Amino acid sequence: ETGVTQSPTHLIKTRGQQVTLRCSSQSGHNTVSWYQQALGQGPQFIFQYYREEENGRGNFPPRFSGLQFPNYSSELNVNALELDDSALYLCASSLALGDSEKLFFGSGTQLSVL
Amino acid sequence: SQQGEEDPQALSIQEGENATMNCSYKTSINNLQWYRQNSGRGLVHLILIRSNEREKHSGRLRVTLDTSKKSSSLLITASRAADTASYFCATGEPTGGGNKLTFGTGTQLKVEL
Repeated sequence: ETGVTQSPTHLIKTRGQQVTLRCSSQSGHNTVSWYQQALGQGPQFIFQYYREEENGRGNFPPRFSGLQFPNYSSELNVNALELDDSALYLCASSLALGDSEKLFFGSGTQLSVL
Repeated sequence: SQQGEEDPQALSIQEGENATMNCSYKTSINNLQWYRQNSGRGLVHLILIRSNEREKHSGRLRVTLDTSKKSSSLLITASRAADTASYFCATGEPTGGGNKLTFGTGTQLKVEL
C-alpha cells in the first residue's frame, strides 16, 4: 500500500466524451504526476504538478489537462476522447520536486473508450 | 516515447534461481530506478541508483549501472513465486525535469514452483 488512491478503478466512455480521473496523494507529498500506460507498454509521462502549478508536460495534446488542489489531491481531465486514449492511467506522488525522488503510485484507473 | 529498452521481454525461471534483467537507455541521466508492477496495476518502487553510483544492493536485489554503456541490470537472487511481475527501469533526466521519469518497455518475469 502506497497511500495513493485513485478513483474510479474502471471506466467506460464513448468516443468524443469527456472524463475526469481523481487521485489522492500520499500524506505529506506535494508533487503529483500522471502517467498513461497502454497495454503491453511502459508508463508514459503526461504531466506533473507542484504546489498547484503544472511543472513539466510530456508529449500529450492540450485536451489532456489537470488540476492540483490545496490539499494536494489531483484530477486528470481528458476531453474529446479518442479510441487510443484507452489505457491504464496512473497517478504518482512524491515527497518533493527533486531530481532523484522515488514515486509512489496508485493502483490506476482503467479507461476504455468505445 | 520510451527511453529504455528492457531485455529480455519475458523471462521464465524456477523458484530459487536468480533472475537478471537488463535495461538500456539513450540519453544522459541523473538517476535510474527500477519498479515492479503486478497484473497491470500500480507500480512499486524497488531501488534507485544515481548516475555517480555503479552498484547498489537492497535485500535480494542488486542493481548495476554503467553510464558509459548507458545500461543497467537488475538481479533478483533466490527468486520466489511472489516475484512474478513486470519489472520496469525508469530514468530521470538531469535537466531540472523534477520527478519526470521515462520508463522502458518492461520485462515480464514468471517464477514457477
